[in-house]
Amino acid sequence: NAGVTQTPKFQVLKTGQSMTLQCAQDMNHEYMSWYRQDPGMGLRLIHYSVGAGITDQGEVPNGYNVSRSTTEDFPLRLLSAAPSQTSVYFCASSYSINTYEQYFGPGTRLTVT
Amino acid sequence: DAKTTQPNSMESNEEEPVHLPCNHSTISGTDYIHWYRQLPSQGPEYVIHGLTSNVNNRMASLAIAEDRKSSTLILHRATLRDAAVYYCILKFAGGTSYGKLTFGQGTILTVHP
Repeated sequence: NAGVTQTPKFQVLKTGQSMTLQCAQDMNHEYMSWYRQDPGMGLRLIHYSVGAGITDQGEVPNGYNVSRSTTEDFPLRLLSAAPSQTSVYFCASSYSINTYEQYFGPGTRLTVT
Repeated sequence: DAKTTQPNSMESNEEEPVHLPCNHSTISGTDYIHWYRQLPSQGPEYVIHGLTSNVNNRMASLAIAEDRKSSTLILHRATLRDAAVYYCILKFAGGTSYGKLTFGQGTILTVHP
């Protein structure tokens, strides 16, 4: 298994541009989520999904959209990038929302200028 | 979610045991204690979790105080690879909130050769 994969690893955007961060898992996990990590801080939940076709907001959802058309993929869209969205983004998955162990991807480092 | 308090940093020597403390005085009876760690430039990694009894797995041991107001993650023989930020997280065991992990600042563990 490849586990949780994220692309790209690095990205630089200008203010106002849009882009999609990709996340995929090959473990047939129902639960997937996106976090952001700002320098020197812990991770904060952006959006999550408990299965295909179902998404919900986390702690810091503003400026981000998600969709879940398949079990494997959970892309995160930045609608109009702002410097405040400069961060490292992590995708995570687990077998279900009640599973103890979550698997995290390697992260995407995003800089918005 | 209930709060946790961890030391900002700790140091250890290679091959010695490491005891990482976590205080959670406001823990409720339905909160599980989870530990994750984050190696440099990687996503978080599940370490261990428990409710009331002490727990052991291949990575570590978790010692939970009888009143559950504190816990200690024990690495029996630290290696250089164990240098990471360790997060102690309380999770309500139920409902749709269970999948959400609330990360604090964590403890930065430095392991000396």
